[in-house]
Amino acid sequence: DAGITQSPRHKVTETGTPVTLRCHQTENHRYMYWYRQDPGHGLRLIHYSYGVKDTDKGEVSDGYSVSRSKTEDFLLTLESATSSQTSVYFCAISDGGLMNTEAFFGQGTRLTVV
Amino acid sequence: SQQGEEDPQALSIQEGENATMNCSYKTSINNLQWYRQNSGRGLVHLILIRSNEREKHSGRLRVTLDTSKKSSSLLITASRAADTASYFCATDATPKLVFGAGTILRVKS
Repeated sequence: DAGITQSPRHKVTETGTPVTLRCHQTENHRYMYWYRQDPGHGLRLIHYSYGVKDTDKGEVSDGYSVSRSKTEDFLLTLESATSSQTSVYFCAISDGGLMNTEAFFGQGTRLTVV
Repeated sequence: SQQGEEDPQALSIQEGENATMNCSYKTSINNLQWYRQNSGRGLVHLILIRSNEREKHSGRLRVTLDTSKKSSSLLITASRAADTASYFCATDATPKLVFGAGTILRVKS
């Protein structure tokens, strides 16, 4: 398995609190992604990174921020959690399309906002 | 909106039959990838087809890509109960990697 770890794996938090999810990789891949998965919506891209300190928004970025200060770590922060952010969050890593390589996924973080 | 859209949303077949899933997308891509997800697990890569390729095979999988129609199909031949899973296409327009809503495949034994 590719070296990609998400933490925590499960979290329950209260509405209005900040939450940070961590994605850690040991593969030295350039690209990192955060997705959320909800029934009927598949995986939706929240934010992605194409290098240290280089990040951009995906299709559902409102209410989320990210940081990548090191190649191996990509943090996703819910600034003020809402019930609509209850979801399963997946991190993925890739060397990128120009290399024509696949993406590898973490095991997911199940977040419940009550 | 999502880049890749799969069709059908759900598919139920008998073991031994073939399963075909389709994916449409909207913009230029470097490659298109198909992934599988078993319930509650992370996604696993199945096959990648480059934008200059038209067809690719891997075991019981056959993928086609038509860039003029911006569409792809995944064929699973001689399906097995263990193929029951959700299948997703992903369009790679580096740096973006965008997934569709997926097809839920159920193979009945």
